[in-house]
Amino acid sequence: QQQVRQSPQSLTVWEGETAILNCSYEDSTFDYFPWYWQFPRESPALLIAIRPVSNKKEDGRFTIFFNKREKKLSLHITDSQPGDSATYFCAASGGGNYKPTFGKGTSLVVHP
Amino acid sequence: GPKVLQIPSHQIIDMGQMVTLNCDPVSNHLYFYWYKQILGQQMEFLVNFYNGKVMEKSKLFKDQFSVERPDGSYFTLKIQPTALEDSAVYFCASSTLWSSYEQYFGPGTRLTVL
Repeated sequence: QQQVRQSPQSLTVWEGETAILNCSYEDSTFDYFPWYWQFPRESPALLIAIRPVSNKKEDGRFTIFFNKREKKLSLHITDSQPGDSATYFCAASGGGNYKPTFGKGTSLVVHP
Repeated sequence: GPKVLQIPSHQIIDMGQMVTLNCDPVSNHLYFYWYKQILGQQMEFLVNFYNGKVMEKSKLFKDQFSVERPDGSYFTLKIQPTALEDSAVYFCASSTLWSSYEQYFGPGTRLTVL
């Protein structure tokens, strides 16, 4: 059973557009939702994270929108840049679960 | 920022041999993790470790796998014996507290089993 699902699997946008990456989860006890980005042949790095006490978290061009009732969240990247091209992983953990669960990732390509 | 180091960066071994992957976590971190990533696929949790014990492990953490951190030295993942399907990049991560906090990932060890 896939605990964390991401869509789309891949996404292509033009420079300047807004990219929207989706994530949903199963376990209602999850209390921490980080997004990691990973460039080819590099390790994942934390991009932005949210806890369920908030329904929105913003950091520059990156915003997480969180819907606790529907167990969904999305990452919006405004004014997308070619340097944003990477694989984005949604993860979830918490609620007494020591095991972070990653989604399968969304591969984002931003064309100049 | 804080850095997790992994040694070696690449290891090539013959099937059936033993391999030890080494991780030097961030100095004040208490929780340590191993993940497996096959090229182009998602990160798969293997195991996490705290206070000298395995806290949780996934079904990917086969009996041939073991972890330890003797006397605060490297946090190691040992595979004995290795199998062809163990070929992947193995990432080590560490965090100050348990999984609800930011994890810092090392650069990975690319393991190739022939």
